Amino acid sequence: KNQVEQSPQSLIILEGKNCTLQCNYTVSPFSNLRWYKQDTGRGPVSLTIMTFSENTKSNGRYTATLDADTKQSSLHITASQLSDSASYICVVSAGKLIFGAGTRLAVHP
Amino acid sequence: DAGITQSPRHKVTETGTPVTLRCHQTENHRYMYWYRQDPGHGLRLIHYSYGVKDTDKGEVSDGYSVSRSKTEDFLLTLESATSSQTSVYFCAISEAGTGDADTQYFGPGTRLTVL
Repeated sequence: KNQVEQSPQSLIILEGKNCTLQCNYTVSPFSNLRWYKQDTGRGPVSLTIMTFSENTKSNGRYTATLDADTKQSSLHITASQLSDSASYICVVSAGKLIFGAGTRLAVHP
Repeated sequence: DAGITQSPRHKVTETGTPVTLRCHQTENHRYMYWYRQDPGHGLRLIHYSYGVKDTDKGEVSDGYSVSRSKTEDFLLTLESATSSQTSVYFCAISEAGTGDADTQYFGPGTRLTVL
């Protein structure tokens, strides 16, 4: 069964600290993997997209990595800001999109 | 929100009543989708459209119907709302259905409560 699992479910960090969110998937065939950011009360917004051949992609302070062999991805946030408080959703494309349940990140001052 | 509007943004209704949610886009994208989002679950696809009058079911389509008479509008109808359909509904659009151009852009969502 195609699945995307994210960890942790929720995370609290202090402003200025770094954090890493994890995504494991059992999806085949694999086309690409995206990370979305969803602010409270808003729709998800795409942060990064990686194809099978890419193993890292950056978007400002967000860096996503992909290990297609182990079927794992991570999203690293550097020097967190209060505006990073949101849910982060891992999405794997395999003919159709498979969504993870998301990690809820809270950045405290 | 990438030229996507949803209406209404909030709705409270009673069990057994029909409800229609509207999604309107100004991007002229071919594909449109309806998802529901519930706590502890990822976004789940209800129905999608790959062109005017061309629609197909997603993984949680029971109790829902859709229509697309114009490129820019995609309607989601709950024929007889049930409490289990209380959720946040998101519309999304994309240029392509698969591949690198299948990035989906989401609307702001509609919060539906069925009492």
